[in-house]
Amino acid sequence: NAGVTQTPKFQVLKTGQSMTLQCAQDMNHEYMSWYRQDPGMGLRLIHYSVGAGITDQGEVPNGYNVSRSTTEDFPLRLLSAAPSQTSVYFCASRWGQTMNTEAFFGQGTRLTVV
Amino acid sequence: AQSVTQLGSHVSVSEGALVLLRCNYSSSVPPYLFWYVQYPNQGLQLLLKYTTGATLVKGINGFEAEFKKSETSFHLTKPSAHMSDAAEYFCAVSDRSQGAQKLVFGQGTRLTINP
Repeated sequence: NAGVTQTPKFQVLKTGQSMTLQCAQDMNHEYMSWYRQDPGMGLRLIHYSVGAGITDQGEVPNGYNVSRSTTEDFPLRLLSAAPSQTSVYFCASRWGQTMNTEAFFGQGTRLTVV
Repeated sequence: AQSVTQLGSHVSVSEGALVLLRCNYSSSVPPYLFWYVQYPNQGLQLLLKYTTGATLVKGINGFEAEFKKSETSFHLTKPSAHMSDAAEYFCAVSDRSQGAQKLVFGQGTRLTINP
């Protein structure tokens, strides 16, 4: 019963490096999303996808890319890491395309950019 | 665009006391409303949600919330706090007018339980 799995759990990057945060769900959910959590700011939506091949920007998309080639996977790419991207990142998935069903969250990836 | 305001970034109550966490939303149409809880070093899990129907919603772990359209509020309550309730709580709203595809979170309220 894996649910939403995020890897890695912790990561330290140097400024300018690139990396991909992985997210996989085994619940056949159509909708997947990425959030970042910063103190005092709650969770802010970075990108989301309503199905394979379809992605869209959220509130804070700059500096991040996503793709959705399969229903199960929704990786988040940082092309050139900046200290402002130090945060905790959460992936979430849910059934259906409208927000009236429960979102399931991964355990998070704590990213530090130095 | 919809928004959520949680009054009080930190709330501290004694064990056995009433828990009240406040949430006000801004939405042009009746929204979907959610409360999530985050325990230390974990992801978020759903406590309860309001979509349609009964305005008093019961959730897990003895929590409940009441949707008050006239006050644009969705406050979370629990009659008697337990030490295990210590966590961060997030109110969230989804606006049906924008295809209901985006979940907007409040800033969060950290609940501390004093023995």
